[in-house]
Amino acid sequence: DTGVSQDPRHKITKRGQNVTFRCDPISEHNRLYWYRQTLGQGPEFLTYFQNEAQLEKSRLLSDRFSAERPKGSFSTLEIQRTEQGDSAMYLCASSSGLAGGPGYEQYFGPGTRLTVT
Amino acid sequence: QKEVEQDPGPLSVPEGAIVSLNCTYSNSAFQYFMWYRQYSRKGPELLMYTYSSGNKEDGRFTAQVDKSSKYISLFIRDSQPSDSATYLCAMSATGNNRLAFGKGNQVVVIP
Repeated sequence: DTGVSQDPRHKITKRGQNVTFRCDPISEHNRLYWYRQTLGQGPEFLTYFQNEAQLEKSRLLSDRFSAERPKGSFSTLEIQRTEQGDSAMYLCASSSGLAGGPGYEQYFGPGTRLTVT
Repeated sequence: QKEVEQDPGPLSVPEGAIVSLNCTYSNSAFQYFMWYRQYSRKGPELLMYTYSSGNKEDGRFTAQVDKSSKYISLFIRDSQPSDSATYLCAMSATGNNRLAFGKGNQVVVIP
């Protein structure tokens, strides 16, 4: 399977715990994006990387959230001291970043569903 | 005002009907427009991608963009029960950064 993969698919944690999610983009894609989606809403942008550089962060990304892409391949998203409001689907997407049409298409993974109890 | 507005009201149609979905937006910098399909508890799947104004057709799907009205549409012809899903519009300014999404439209095609 050459699509975007995410791990784990589901995570249940208690409030105050730290969690980390992993995303593996499509292999030749140098752009990687994180979004968050709550029930009944469209995905909301969190942050994106070009290779290993984090180029943009949303105001939604509080200081409890940190994302890394250390070697320009997979990425991790960590949430510290989780709160019930963090319960959501966390989606990762990637694109090739090449100029023009298909390079800008973002392909999404299956998501990690986080439940904070 | 949200950047992208999409009436989330569920839409039920009989099999074979034409499904018509639309979004409006406020950011005149948006130039890249996409439609995604999302099945329950799955990630969004890219359906259509359009740059600037105009129409694009792919099989039973047609996407239209009217930048002067800040209005985009998706039409699904000969709808099938397998088209039952949530449809999300998305757009971006430069094509290579964040997507702004609508809330999504839940579509149910009744056999």
